[in-house]
Amino acid sequence: SQTIHQWPATLVQPVGSPLSLECTVEGTSNPNLYWYRQAAGRGLQLLFYSVGIGQISSEVPQNLSASRPQDRQFILSSKKLLLSDSGFYLCAWTQGLAGHNEQFFGPGTRLTVL
Amino acid sequence: GQNIDQPTEMTATEGAIVQINCTYQTSGFNGLFWYQQHAGEAPTFLSYNVLDGLEEKGRFSSFLSRSKGYSYLLLKELQMKDSASYLCAVRRDYKLSFGAGTTVTVRA
Repeated sequence: SQTIHQWPATLVQPVGSPLSLECTVEGTSNPNLYWYRQAAGRGLQLLFYSVGIGQISSEVPQNLSASRPQDRQFILSSKKLLLSDSGFYLCAWTQGLAGHNEQFFGPGTRLTVL
Repeated sequence: GQNIDQPTEMTATEGAIVQINCTYQTSGFNGLFWYQQHAGEAPTFLSYNVLDGLEEKGRFSSFLSRSKGYSYLLLKELQMKDSASYLCAVRRDYKLSFGAGTTVTVRA
């Protein structure tokens, strides 16, 4: 069976500090991978998605970046965090291009920028 | 782009039925998903519609009308554990666009 991991689960960082969030998927190969952010009381905002190693598409211009160094690893980074980067970060995966394939979400990382 | 609208909050009594509406405007459409999200947790998949009509899964049903850009999620025989946020999401190509979610509170 497939599983998706995210770490850390919670993070408190000062403004201006760097960020690295990691997501890994087990039990599948060549998944489509996604990073979302959910601000308090808001919907999920798609940040990045990747359909293969080294392929990253950015949805929203901001101070975040993403990388996919391995097939089942997706990393979200920032060089300098802003207060507005606080939120619940969710990684998700889906298999293939079939429309009915739902996205499976990881447990999330709750980031607070102070 | 996609505009997805759903009510912010709904309250219902245990054992009752609640219907959560979702309207969308999109330049492309590959299906509509409903997810459930409990506070502080990740969303979990509930249902998928790509053709017009009703899909039933136990106590949960979802309906889609593509011509109207409209879907609803029907929750029957409400239980306290159904208190959660319900997210409507429209798929276009590889991507899902989510509504802001509807918080359902079930009262005893």
